[in-house]
Amino acid sequence: DTGVSQNPRHKITKRGQNVTFRCDPISEHNRLYWYRQTLGQGPEFLTYFQNEAQLEKSRLLSDRFSAERPKGSFSTLEIQRTEQGDSAMYLCASSLGRVTEAFFGQGTRLTVV
Amino acid sequence: AQSVAQPEDQVNVAEGNPLTVKCTYSVSGNPYLFWYVQYPNRGLQFLLKYITGDNLVKGSYGFEAEFNKSQTSFHLKKPSALVSDSALYFCAVRGPLTGGGNKLTFGTGTQLKVEL
Repeated sequence: DTGVSQNPRHKITKRGQNVTFRCDPISEHNRLYWYRQTLGQGPEFLTYFQNEAQLEKSRLLSDRFSAERPKGSFSTLEIQRTEQGDSAMYLCASSLGRVTEAFFGQGTRLTVV
Repeated sequence: AQSVAQPEDQVNVAEGNPLTVKCTYSVSGNPYLFWYVQYPNRGLQFLLKYITGDNLVKGSYGFEAEFNKSQTSFHLKKPSALVSDSALYFCAVRGPLTGGGNKLTFGTGTQLKVEL
């Protein structure tokens, strides 16, 4: 499978715990994006990488959120001290260039209890 | 700031009939427009895009979309709907590089229901 891969697919965690999600983009894609989607809403932009550089972050990305893309390959999104409001689907996408379409992974569904 | 409006939460259509899912956008400069489809508990699948050129864009699964600059619209269409087209459809816009052009901004989605 050469698509965007996200792990885990589902994560249930207790409030206050830390969680980390992984995204493996399509191998030749230099751009990687993280989005968050809640029920009944469209995906909301969180952050964007070009190669290993994090070039843009949304104001939605509080200090508890951090993302990395070491060596410009896979990316991780960590949420510290999770809150119930963090419950959502976290989507990763990658693209080859700015005007090309982004390909999305299946998402990681986070439930904070 | 760029934005997308999908005015219909749900569209119902009979199988075999034409369908239209509406989208209007707001962006500074020339827009890059996209349609994605989402099935339950799945990620988004790319359907089609408008970057430049012909205003009528053809995409996957028989879908097409018409770009109308004066009306700032990018409606999704299909001549003959199938029950398997039932899904959640998202319109998205990407603006010029200096105007938030690194990210896609999505609408709230339109649930398409195709009935026999």
